[in-house]
Amino acid sequence: KAGVTQTPRYLIKTRGQQVTLSCSPISGHRSVSWYQQTPGQGLQFLFEYFSETQRNKGNFPGRFSGRQFSNSRSEMNVSTLELGDSALYLCASSGTVNGYTFGSGTRLTVV
Amino acid sequence: GIQVEQSPPDLILQEGANSTLRCNFSDSVNNLQWFHQNPWGQLINLFYIPSGTKQNGRLSATTVATERYSLLYISSSQTTDSGVYFCAVSRYNTDKLIFGTGTRLQVFP
Repeated sequence: KAGVTQTPRYLIKTRGQQVTLSCSPISGHRSVSWYQQTPGQGLQFLFEYFSETQRNKGNFPGRFSGRQFSNSRSEMNVSTLELGDSALYLCASSGTVNGYTFGSGTRLTVV
Repeated sequence: GIQVEQSPPDLILQEGANSTLRCNFSDSVNNLQWFHQNPWGQLINLFYIPSGTKQNGRLSATTVATERYSLLYISSSQTTDSGVYFCAVSRYNTDKLIFGTGTRLQVFP
């Protein structure tokens, strides 16, 4: 069974640009969650999608958004990038048991 | 919200030594997981253990839900065990994960 796939693995963007990250969950999993990891703030929850609906949202500005498609693949978008958005972005998928499985992450650097 | 505390924050071991990592949480949870973050950043799921004891090779974990703590045991540590170990909890299975600040483990040959 394939794991959670995130693309791209690395990304360098300039302040003010926007970026889109992609996550394909484990086959059969309908829940996809996104987390941001920074040295200062640790791992923080961004949002969760289930069956194309946002079910839960963390405390992040509106520049951070996401969506989920009918095949459960999810994308997150960050608009008007700031230096502080540099982070490792992790996606997790979940079925009905055994908790969350994470992808390899996308490392975003904003310059 | 739920608070998750991990101890110790840092651990330095020689290969072959045993260690115990602790996770305390402030409220009832229905999901508790232990992860190992490798040098490339990926979170590897070690255990899904909201209660009870599980073992997987040299690693084992115990969660005492009534006392709100979990322990991760690493026996006969190897250099490949190095990295950061996170405990994460959620109130119910569909809720967001709340992570502790992690234990950074360094194993030297």
